[in-house]
Amino acid sequence: GAVVSQHPSWVICKSGTSVKIECRSLDFQATTMFWYRQFPKQSLMLMATSNEGSKATYEQGVEKDKFLINHASLTLSTLTVTSAHPEDSSFYICSARVGGATDTQYFGPGTRLTVL
Amino acid sequence: SQQGEEDPQALSIQEGENATMNCSYKTSINNLQWYRQNSGRGLVHLILIRSNEREKHSGRLRVTLDTSKKSSSLLITASRAADTASYFCATDLSGGYNKLIFGAGTRLAVHP
Repeated sequence: GAVVSQHPSWVICKSGTSVKIECRSLDFQATTMFWYRQFPKQSLMLMATSNEGSKATYEQGVEKDKFLINHASLTLSTLTVTSAHPEDSSFYICSARVGGATDTQYFGPGTRLTVL
Repeated sequence: SQQGEEDPQALSIQEGENATMNCSYKTSINNLQWYRQNSGRGLVHLILIRSNEREKHSGRLRVTLDTSKKSSSLLITASRAADTASYFCATDLSGGYNKLIFGAGTRLAVHP
């Protein structure tokens, strides 16, 4: 089956630093990738949708300058949390989709970010 | 933004009992999907039901969809302790949005 990986699986950083999270589709080409964040005991909130080679579309309330998304190839999308603060501590999950149907959307294992 | 609400928020049952979780949503959908998440882990896709389907089965799982009421239910029969997890519904919005929006989730605890 299709596999999506994320790296790193967890990261601890100091307040004010930037953190990059990678999302890769390992055995398929993903036309679209999505980034979600999840706070403890809460649901997944869609942050943004990115299509290869074009700018990401951010959901309302998500700061695009804070969460930089780059979808440079059909197998890689990156999320950079710039100038991270403790309130950015969360579980970040990416997903990748083949074509236009959501029934072919695959989720990564998530990255836990802790900002001290 | 979240599309749907789920109830109950938490459910505690004994092994062998059935567990029913409900999901309501607000706008038209192409399909609705159910996911499972163990604490602090990634998502596991359980089942997808399309807007023109009313019921679907997969092993011990039974999903229903009522588009007139904009609601769905997930039934887990003969629950096991290993079913303990959070369960989320996710709706694929119609109208060309092509993105999944998750409900608030139900935390299920199955006690041996």
